[in-house]
Amino acid sequence: AQKVTQAQTEISVVEKEDVTLDCVYETRDTTYYLFWYKQPPSGELVFLIRRNSFDEQNEISGRYSWNFQKSTSSFNFTITASQVVDSAVYFCALSEAGDAGNMLTFGGGTRLMVKP
Amino acid sequence: EAEVAQSPRYKITEKSQAVAFWCDPISGHATLYWYRQILGQGPELLVQFQDESVVDDSQLPKDRFSAERLKGVDSTLKIQPAELGDSAMYLCASSLGFGYNEQFFGPGTRLTVL
Repeated sequence: AQKVTQAQTEISVVEKEDVTLDCVYETRDTTYYLFWYKQPPSGELVFLIRRNSFDEQNEISGRYSWNFQKSTSSFNFTITASQVVDSAVYFCALSEAGDAGNMLTFGGGTRLMVKP
Repeated sequence: EAEVAQSPRYKITEKSQAVAFWCDPISGHATLYWYRQILGQGPELLVQFQDESVVDDSQLPKDRFSAERLKGVDSTLKIQPAELGDSAMYLCASSLGFGYNEQFFGPGTRLTVL
C-alpha cells in the first residue's frame, strides 16, 4: 500500500530564510504522481505542483522549487527567501496510476511558521 | 476562476443528530471526492464518484455515513447519527476525470460534534 511520510511536523523560520520541507513516499507502482498542496489558515487546500514518476527533472516556480529523487523516494519542497504569507500547513501527496480512482494519499503535513 | 463550492462552512451539532454537507464541483468535472481531515492530520478519502457512480467508498463508515451524487453534478454527504469522533474538516474535491488526477479542493466544512 502507498504511504507518504512528512517527518517534520512543524518548522519555524525568520522571514527571508530558505526552508526545505521533506517528503518521503512508498509505493509498489512504477507509474505514480506526486503532489504538494498548501493549506492556509482558511482551510482550503491549494494545489502547488504535480510530478509524474518518469520526470525527475527539478522544477522552479518563483521562490518555490522541488527536488524529486526516485533513488531515495523523496520529493522535497524548498521555499527561498520565505515570507510571512508562506505560513501554512504543507501536504505532500501520492497518487498511483494503477489506482482507477486516482485517489490521493496524503502525508501528515508540515506546519511552517514564518516570523517577521 | 472556477471553484469548488461547499456549504455550510461551519456546523455545530450534538451527538446523535443528523448532519448534511453539500458540494458543487467545478463545472465539467466528472470526478468528485469527499475527504475527512482530522485536526493535525492529512486528509483521508471517504468516497469518490465518477459522474453519478461510486468508484470507491471502502473508507466510508457505511453504518452512519452516506453520500450521493444523483445527477452527476453536485453531491451531498450525510452523517446520521453524528458521534463525537466525527468532529473534523470535511473537504470536497473535483477533477476532470480519469487520467486527470489534479484535484481542486473546496473550502471545506468544519464539523464540531458536542
